[in-house]
Amino acid sequence: DQQVKQNSPSLSVQEGRISILNCDYTNSMFDYFLWYKKYPAEGPTFLISISSIKDKNEDGRFTVFLNKSAKHLSLHIVPSQPGDSAVYFCAARNSGGGADGLTFGKGTHLIIQP
Amino acid sequence: KAGVTQTPRYLIKTRGQQVTLSCSPISGHRSVSWYQQTPGQGLQFLFEYFSETQRNKGNFPGRFSGRQFSNSRSEMNVSTLELGDSALYLCASSLQGVNEKLFFGSGTQLSVL
Repeated sequence: DQQVKQNSPSLSVQEGRISILNCDYTNSMFDYFLWYKKYPAEGPTFLISISSIKDKNEDGRFTVFLNKSAKHLSLHIVPSQPGDSAVYFCAARNSGGGADGLTFGKGTHLIIQP
Repeated sequence: KAGVTQTPRYLIKTRGQQVTLSCSPISGHRSVSWYQQTPGQGLQFLFEYFSETQRNKGNFPGRFSGRQFSNSRSEMNVSTLELGDSALYLCASSLQGVNEKLFFGSGTQLSVL
C-alpha cells in the first residue's frame, strides 16, 4: 500500500504562473517531508523540506505547505520558469526510525509551457 | 566537493546473469543507500549501509545485495536477473543516515533482455 501518493502524474503550467504540486500521505508517523526534483538522465536533487512542527517553509520561489490534519502537503512554485520542467518527487520520513528509508511518491511531471 | 558517482551509467544484461553496480559517495559521507526507480513504482528503497554494515533494508528479494567498503564506497549486486529488474538504480549518500537529506548520483540504467 502506497504511503506517499502523488495523484497527478503530470501537470502543465504556463510560464510565469503558479505551479502547485500535491502530495498525500497515510502514515501518521511521518514527521519530516522533502521535495526532490529530477531531470532526465540525472539523479534527484533536493529542493525543499518541512518539519511536521511547521505548516509552511519558503525558499525563494519555492514554498511548501503542510496540512497535518489532512495529511497533505503541497509545493508552490512562483513564478514558474522553463527550467522548472522536471519530475518532482515528494518524500517522507519517520524520525523514530524504521527500515524503510525515505518513502517516495511516484512523482509528478511538471511541464512549463512558454 | 565531488558529488555522488555511479558506474556504469548504462548496462545491458540478459536474464539469469548477475550484475554489480558501483557507487562512490560524497567525501565524508558515511551512509550510502540504494533506490530502484521504475516508471510505474517511483523510487523504492533497497538498503542502506553505514560504516560497512547494512543498517536498513527494504522489501526486495535476497537476489539484491550490497556491501560497503572502508572508504565508504558501495557496491550493489543483483543475481539471477529477471526482466522486471530493468530499472534505474540510484545511489544516495548522506552524512549519518537514510533519514537525512540525501544526495543522489545520476544512476545506473539497467536493461535486462
